Amino acid sequence: GQQVMQIPQYQHVQEGEDFTTYCNSSTTLSNIQWYKQRPGGHPVFLIQLVKSGEVKKQKRLTFQFGEAKKNSSLHITATQTTDVGTYFCVRATNAGKSTFGDGTTLTVKP
Amino acid sequence: DVKVTQSSRYLVKRTGEKVFLECVQDMDHENMFWYRQDPGLGLRLIYFSYDVKMKEKGDIPEGYSVSREKKERFSLILESASTNQTSMYLCASSPIRDSEQFFGPGTRLTVL
Repeated sequence: GQQVMQIPQYQHVQEGEDFTTYCNSSTTLSNIQWYKQRPGGHPVFLIQLVKSGEVKKQKRLTFQFGEAKKNSSLHITATQTTDVGTYFCVRATNAGKSTFGDGTTLTVKP
Repeated sequence: DVKVTQSSRYLVKRTGEKVFLECVQDMDHENMFWYRQDPGLGLRLIYFSYDVKMKEKGDIPEGYSVSREKKERFSLILESASTNQTSMYLCASSPIRDSEQFFGPGTRLTVL
């Protein structure tokens, strides 16, 4: 099936450092969604990007959708311990089928 | 607030048993999904449903079936559980097909 590749798989940072996770697709995406899953929790929706080149911000989180709509990134500025978790990008189609990336697990050392 | 509930947080079954996992959402969402989550493999879609009595296969439907007799309820059935079906099972719902999904807390199933 059509996959979304996500890198890196793991990222360990010191509190206050920045963090970025990248999502790539071999095919054009109609949209890309981002979710966060805290340890022991379930995925929680963060944002959806639809437009080519779109950039959206949520406090310290910045989400980008590539011009070709084949890649996306999530950047966290000045990480905090509350940012710990696994971040997933998700390709969702209007046919209903969703494909999750493998996720990037972020750990933050205080 | 949307609420998605799953019948059990933990379940232990024996090989060959028939297993039912239930999911209920209270927001009148059209779409419901079943995923399994395994370490290193992320979330993989088993089945989804976009309407009552309608279902579509996801990426890994083998060994599973589903039932959606009412809009709010989506059941995942393991006809004959096997040890390789030990996993975390997550249910989700969404109002339209490519919109935000709301997840339940998950059921950790162990098949012995």
